[in-house]
Amino acid sequence: QQKVQQSPESLIVPEGGMASLNCTSSDRNVDYFWWYRQHSGKSPKMLMSIFSNGEKEEGRFTVHLNKASLHTSLHIRDSQPSDSALYLCAAYQGGRALIFGTGTTVSVSP
Amino acid sequence: GPKVLQIPSHQIIDMGQMVTLNCDPVSNHLYFYWYKQILGQQMEFLVNFYNGKVMEKSKLFKDQFSVERPDGSYFTLKIQPTALEDSAVYFCASSLTGGYAEQFFGPGTRLTVL
Repeated sequence: QQKVQQSPESLIVPEGGMASLNCTSSDRNVDYFWWYRQHSGKSPKMLMSIFSNGEKEEGRFTVHLNKASLHTSLHIRDSQPSDSALYLCAAYQGGRALIFGTGTTVSVSP
Repeated sequence: GPKVLQIPSHQIIDMGQMVTLNCDPVSNHLYFYWYKQILGQQMEFLVNFYNGKVMEKSKLFKDQFSVERPDGSYFTLKIQPTALEDSAVYFCASSLTGGYAEQFFGPGTRLTVL
């Protein structure tokens, strides 16, 4: 059973539009979430992390976390073609190993 | 930003042979990690390493796997002998500290076992 579930599997967003990605952990020991972005053939790069309830914004990126439901979401506003990538959600269990989801592939269409 | 390098980018070997994957972590980082990603599946934690020792390993880290970082050089993952199911992309990561510190990832080594 997947411990970190991401949805949707893939997403097409018009340039300038909003992309919304979801991630939920089934493990109640999780206490920290990371969002990574991975362009094709490149290494995953950390976008944002969150461990408190609520919202965190950095530029065009906003993450939300609901600790009760262990659900986090990533929103990308004013999407650009350079945002086309695989977005990985990872959950941290009390400072132990990172558990990754299967990712959401975002394609921004010009 | 800080970069993690991995050598080689692609390795093809015959089943039963030994393979060593090399990782050049960020220079002042102290914690090192290996992850495995089979095509179409999620990246899965294999092992983390600190101060010359394996700190934690997953069930994917079979007895045929070993890691070391001799004298501050490359952090290596050795598989001996390899099996068909070892075909995957292997990602190395490093972090300055353990716990909740950001992990910086390399570009991966694609291992194909024939």
